[in-house]
Amino acid sequence: QVQLVESGGGLVKPGGSLRLTCAASGFTLSDYYMSWVRQAPGKGLEWLSYISSGSNQINYAGSVRGRFTISRDNAKNSLYLQMNSLRAEDTGLYYCARNYRDSNLYIDYWGQGILVTVSS
Amino acid sequence: SFELTQPPSVSVSPGQTAKITCSGDALTKQYVYWCQQKPGQAPVLVMYKDNQRPSEIPERFSGSTSGTIVTLTISGVLPEDEADYYCQSADNSGTYPVFGGGTKLTIL
Repeated sequence: QVQLVESGGGLVKPGGSLRLTCAASGFTLSDYYMSWVRQAPGKGLEWLSYISSGSNQINYAGSVRGRFTISRDNAKNSLYLQMNSLRAEDTGLYYCARNYRDSNLYIDYWGQGILVTVSS
Repeated sequence: SFELTQPPSVSVSPGQTAKITCSGDALTKQYVYWCQQKPGQAPVLVMYKDNQRPSEIPERFSGSTSGTIVTLTISGVLPEDEADYYCQSADNSGTYPVFGGGTKLTIL
């Protein structure tokens, strides 16, 4: 079955950096667009970024463009999110997500999420 | 920016029908996907391409569209259906995914 397991979260000071990793299994990663979505405490879901199967199509939400970088390594079955210049408002649960086949837009599977806390 | 509008809350008694709406100008051009999120859990897809139900989702879940409004209907709700429900779609150009604000379904 599809499994997405995030790691790399934690507590970081404002202005700091973190790199999230998502380990994918149960499907062929190279066949799918992948996304990152976050959820601030007590708030709704916010799409952050997607990346195509061959990494040639990437897009970001305005709130993270220029600070976050999505990447993937299909050979390692892994998706990444490099987060720089972190702010307090970046605090939340970060979900790795698989996109519906051939879609850059829609998500069909979600990981359990990893907590990122930005605080001094 | 493109927005999807959902009611913040819907309340129904067990066995009744719950309807959760999602509205947005681009919904005549873009699909809507629905996910369910129970407290402390990851979201789970319950409807895709407006009205297609994943095989593991109970038949009491259905989807429909009317112009710029898409509706998730849960017939004969059970206590286990209590959760937050989010619609997901995209802007007119199909470039930017977007989520609705979420609807908290309460079973009375």
